[in-house]
Amino acid sequence: DAGVIQSPRHEVTEMGQEVTLRCKPISGHDYLFWYRQTMMRGLELLIYFNNNVPIDDSGMPEDRFSAKMPNASFSTLKIQPSEPRDSAVYFCASSPGGQGYEQYFGPGTRLTVT
Amino acid sequence: KQEVTQIPAALSVPEGENLVLNCSFTDSAIYNLQWFRQDPGKGLTSLLLIQSSQREQTSGRLNASLDKSSGRSTLYIAASQPGDSATYLCAVNKGAQKLVFGQGTRLTINP
Repeated sequence: DAGVIQSPRHEVTEMGQEVTLRCKPISGHDYLFWYRQTMMRGLELLIYFNNNVPIDDSGMPEDRFSAKMPNASFSTLKIQPSEPRDSAVYFCASSPGGQGYEQYFGPGTRLTVT
Repeated sequence: KQEVTQIPAALSVPEGENLVLNCSFTDSAIYNLQWFRQDPGKGLTSLLLIQSSQREQTSGRLNASLDKSSGRSTLYIAASQPGDSATYLCAVNKGAQKLVFGQGTRLTINP
């Protein structure tokens, strides 16, 4: 089992550019989550999907952020246009489903917007 | 709004000591609580998951307890080792799979 895979691991971009982060969940997991981690705010849930359908996006900070899950093995988080305050580590996690299950995290993408 | 607090923010102990990390939460209506470990520049590794109906879970040298009524959980690490040095995060599941995280305790085990 390869675990949750995220790409790229590091991204440096200039303000105003579009950024796309990618995630491949663990095969067979029905839930996929996107988190953001910063020193000031810690780990925050941005959005999560169940069976490829977005269930709760209340954590998405602004309309500049969007997420998609076109199939069970792939999800993207897009920021357009990016701003310096978006600099953070973005984690993707997946879970087999249900309230009693653990969430398994990917290694994260460190985003720096200059 | 559910708030999760971890105290202390940082802890340094000599190798071999037993230690306790604390986690408190404001709303006792939780489904479960999960303890994670995060190494610098890495993702989160799940250590223990305690369901709301359970009082504790054990894995090797780790033991996590849960007292829902008082809004507290502890992570006990026995016979600490330098390899245990990491940041430890607790997260409560308040429903619909939404985890609320504490800020973490940065643990350093000195050889």
